[in-house]
Amino acid sequence: SQQGEEDPQALSIQEGENATMNCSYKTSINNLQWYRQNSGRGLVHLILIRSNEREKHSGRLRVTLDTSKKSSSLLITASRAADTASYFCATDAQASGGGADGLTFGKGTHLIIQP
Amino acid sequence: NAGVTQTPKFQVLKTGQSMTLQCAQDMNHNSMYWYRQDPGMGLRLIYYSASEGTTDKGEVPNGYNVSRLNKREFSLRLESAAPSQTSVYFCASSEFRADTEAFFGQGTRLTVV
Repeated sequence: SQQGEEDPQALSIQEGENATMNCSYKTSINNLQWYRQNSGRGLVHLILIRSNEREKHSGRLRVTLDTSKKSSSLLITASRAADTASYFCATDAQASGGGADGLTFGKGTHLIIQP
Repeated sequence: NAGVTQTPKFQVLKTGQSMTLQCAQDMNHNSMYWYRQDPGMGLRLIYYSASEGTTDKGEVPNGYNVSRLNKREFSLRLESAAPSQTSVYFCASSEFRADTEAFFGQGTRLTVV
């Protein structure tokens, strides 16, 4: 079953604005990761945040993690047309009782950056 | 570096036919995975291999078999394809289980008619 749940399902903003996506999960985790998927392509890793971290930055990306609320957020600042993609959060499946030691993905947020 | 390479990119099968999806990685990773992606469902784990010679079932293993041929290669076999297996299949690898970032192949778009 899906461990992570992204919100919103779809987001459309103007180029230059900031985009915020949220992820909620159900059980304890060791780490949470964010991935980007361009249409028709494979997933690309963006950032990994461990359960003992609260915030992490990578370029224009900022990820927060609140383990007490079982939630994470991904902020993309100064958005560009090239940021148009689907964004997924993923948690370690073992923690979710998935029965195998892979990642469990949410359904994703589809982000559209209007030029 | 090629990263993770999947073949084929596209495939159409008739119900009941069999096929093997191939995956190879050149990053010397220990762990490899097969996922399927369906519209509105995100990615779901089919099978996982922690290391050469070991495999484990994921969330949706029914109808599939896997082989970890060596450290580089991890194949997914559909013995008797069904329309419900129409999906996009992704192979991925990581250095060590779910504690490290995963690298994904470009996907195989499979249609079963």
